Amino acid sequence: NAGVTQTPKFRILKIGQSMTLQCTQDMNHNYMYWYRQDPGMGLKLIYYSVGAGITDKGEVPNGYNVSRSTTEDFPLRLELAAPSQTSVYFCASSPRTGRMNSPLHFGNGTRLTVT
Amino acid sequence: EDQVTQSPEALRLQEGESSSLNCSYTVSGLRGLFWYRQDPGKGPEFLFTLYSAGEEKEKERLKATLTKKESFLHITAPKPEDSATYLCAVQGQGANNLFFGTGTRLTVIP
Repeated sequence: NAGVTQTPKFRILKIGQSMTLQCTQDMNHNYMYWYRQDPGMGLKLIYYSVGAGITDKGEVPNGYNVSRSTTEDFPLRLELAAPSQTSVYFCASSPRTGRMNSPLHFGNGTRLTVT
Repeated sequence: EDQVTQSPEALRLQEGESSSLNCSYTVSGLRGLFWYRQDPGKGPEFLFTLYSAGEEKEKERLKATLTKKESFLHITAPKPEDSATYLCAVQGQGANNLFFGTGTRLTVIP
């Protein structure tokens, strides 16, 4: 059982370039999330999805786009990369069954540098 | 606005020296408080969920407790393999995501 898989692990972009961070999960979870983690800061939510075809903005969505065409995949698109997007990006998923929360399952992250 | 403050930022312990990590929170109607462990270069790994004041959960050398304003992660007789960053997160009523603190970086020296 692979869990949450993120690719690539590392990437260097030039300012203005675009790229897609890939995330796939094999746990049949309905909820998926994208967070970024910067030194000295807590994880910040970029976008999330409660199911295929449904996405919503989180705390820091500017400069990013997402889509959710299948339950398994939740790619994050960066258009016109900027140095402020240098960060470690984590994808997570959760079953969110019932009234109580289920914990998030995280991938191992993509370390992105924009120069 | 939801807020999570973790202290200390960093903690160095000798092997076997017990201590506690603190997570103070402000949230509109707590749905859950989560503790995660994060190793360098890895994603956070789930440890505990606490739902109501007075609740406690244990796993090996770790014990998490919850009050109406804060949570503690107690580490008893830590070992070097317990070295990691410990993250606290809360979810409030009506929220679809977790709000994370900045973490406590724990180093256990042999």
